[in-house]
Amino acid sequence: QKEVEQNSGPLSVPEGAIASLNCTYSDRGSQSFFWYRQYSGKSPELIMFIYSNGDKEDGRFTAQLNKASQYVSLLIRDSQPSDSATYLCAVNSRGGSYIPTFGRGTSLIVHP
Amino acid sequence: DTAVSQTPKYLVTQMGNDKSIKCEQNLGHDTMYWYKQDSKKFLKIMFSYNNKELIINETVPNRFSPKSPDKAHLNLHINSLELGDSAVYFCASSQELNQPQHFGDGTRLSIL
Repeated sequence: QKEVEQNSGPLSVPEGAIASLNCTYSDRGSQSFFWYRQYSGKSPELIMFIYSNGDKEDGRFTAQLNKASQYVSLLIRDSQPSDSATYLCAVNSRGGSYIPTFGRGTSLIVHP
Repeated sequence: DTAVSQTPKYLVTQMGNDKSIKCEQNLGHDTMYWYKQDSKKFLKIMFSYNNKELIINETVPNRFSPKSPDKAHLNLHINSLELGDSAVYFCASSQELNQPQHFGDGTRLSIL
């Protein structure tokens, strides 16, 4: 059973701080890794994706992947109240079909 | 222009009925998905089609039947609805397998 684990939170950070969200996965053969943001009552929207070990930056967001330790993280710099949402980690396992497995999400609250 | 559109947005029906949800994407993507998000917000893959071919068929009751008439459309038909089918159903698409996904707004299904 392929699993993706996230701390459900809530993670509460003050405005302007760095929010750090973590995700671990069980399938060592996993190929690709995604972070989605989901506001309450809305659909998931892509924030970042990463395929190789290391860091990938896009504006205030940085995704970090460590395949040896089987974790992927998302850093949000200069957090804003509008970043308050649930962040879903998704992992595609190796295999012909690249089956996507989602974590249960981490709730982030950024307070002014 | 909506990239991935689902209809209807809300579906309220009685136990035992049969219902369909439609999904269309105008992104030119090859791969489409159906997900179920339960009351605890856990997002689980149900089906995926790539170029109209079924490639992912997770452990889903055979009351659920997907149909892809062409690459831009993926519909979901559900027979003999049960209370446990109440959830939000999301359609998504991606350029190819293993690529980031774009989600529709979801269909909230409530079984009375």
